[in-house]
Amino acid sequence: AQRVTQPEKLLSVFKGAPVELKCNYSYSGSPELFWYVQYSRQRLQLLLRHISRESIKGFTADLNKGETSFHLKKPFAQEEDSAMYYCALRPGGSYIPTFGRGTSLIVHP
Amino acid sequence: GAGVSQSPSNKVTEKGKDVELRCDPISGHTALYWYRQSLGQGLEFLIYFQGNSAPDKSGLPSDRFSAERTGGSVSTLTIQRTQQEDSAVYLCASSLNGEGLFFGSGTQLSVL
Repeated sequence: AQRVTQPEKLLSVFKGAPVELKCNYSYSGSPELFWYVQYSRQRLQLLLRHISRESIKGFTADLNKGETSFHLKKPFAQEEDSAMYYCALRPGGSYIPTFGRGTSLIVHP
Repeated sequence: GAGVSQSPSNKVTEKGKDVELRCDPISGHTALYWYRQSLGQGLEFLIYFQGNSAPDKSGLPSDRFSAERTGGSVSTLTIQRTQQEDSAVYLCASSLNGEGLFFGSGTQLSVL
């Protein structure tokens, strides 16, 4: 069975600092990876997908199959980035994603 | 509709009572998911519906939990004889093709 690990429950940075939210996975096949974000008092929403290879709100994530990681990065954090971030893996041939436990990002002014 | 709609937003019940949680997905989305979100536990998959196919119930934690989806649209998650450990936020999501899930605001269930 697949597993998604987000090793940090909480990540605290200052505005303008780089931020990296870690996501590691275990799965033997070819997965599809996602990052979801939940801002305060808002619903959970998709941030980005690895196959899109896009940058959303300044965030990027690269799938590293060798290290089985999909870390989320942003070079200069903003206060409005403060939120709960979830990494998710969808196994090949399945439509059911498995989520990590989430990392709470706090960006201080 | 504007998005996935869930009701009620909050539900307080007594241990042993049954509860029903409702989800109205985005129109046209064939896939519907139920997840449970507990503090510090992330999102726990419960059940998945796809079109007219038999649902994937592999995530349901016990036989007290059941769900149905009528007419390929609205879904109801039922918890019978609720226990305190059932307290959590129950999230519904829908998707057109599994590429990305659209979540509702959730139902906060508190079992006293």
